Amino acid sequence: GESVGLHLPTLSVQEGDNSIINCAYSNSASDYFIWYKQESGKGPQFIIDIRSNMDKRQGQRVTVLLNKTVKHLSLQIAATQPGDSAVYFCAERNNAGNMLTFGGGTRLMVKP
Amino acid sequence: EAGVTQFPSHSVIEKGQTVTLRCDPISGHDNLYWYRRVMGKEIKFLLHFVKESKQDESGMPNNRFLAERTGGTYSTLKVQPAELEDSGVYFCASSQVPGTRKFFGPGTRLTVL
Repeated sequence: GESVGLHLPTLSVQEGDNSIINCAYSNSASDYFIWYKQESGKGPQFIIDIRSNMDKRQGQRVTVLLNKTVKHLSLQIAATQPGDSAVYFCAERNNAGNMLTFGGGTRLMVKP
Repeated sequence: EAGVTQFPSHSVIEKGQTVTLRCDPISGHDNLYWYRRVMGKEIKFLLHFVKESKQDESGMPNNRFLAERTGGTYSTLKVQPAELEDSGVYFCASSQVPGTRKFFGPGTRLTVL
């Protein structure tokens, strides 16, 4: 598959449990962050975003937390479902708005 | 509405050969981006077009890579000659304006033997 040669950290959760995926970013000046989900054979798909003037944002079953002090992002998925199985990437956007810097990705596996 | 499409989905070539990847952005999206993930690495930015102009090509690895967007619609990324380390997945994305949400295509998996 696409991840051959790319050794991703893996999070394995039971269906129905909550998942927490973590990400550290590098640029303290970044002001906008995004979480992407990538399923096999597809490109990254937008899940949720957050600006640096916020520390929490909620979507449908997903919550993103931002800790600027330690440059840390997390994605929380409530009541994880088999369809949530994918690789999740965090990304920070540069000030010009044109370039995303991606983290290494975390593979989420949901056990039925 | 059709999303970003890429062709081919998979390409296998030998070292030294030439490959051309194509990206069709979402209709009306002036901004088009190329990214890639090579073996063992993160997804990395390659370049950004605004219409037919290269706005930022700071991520292009070397002069073996040539991106074009004639007419400001679809874009091509040519690798000539391909090297083993070029193997990976090449993604295209588009957006209406640079600061807005970027929509990614499914990627082209390039294998250089």
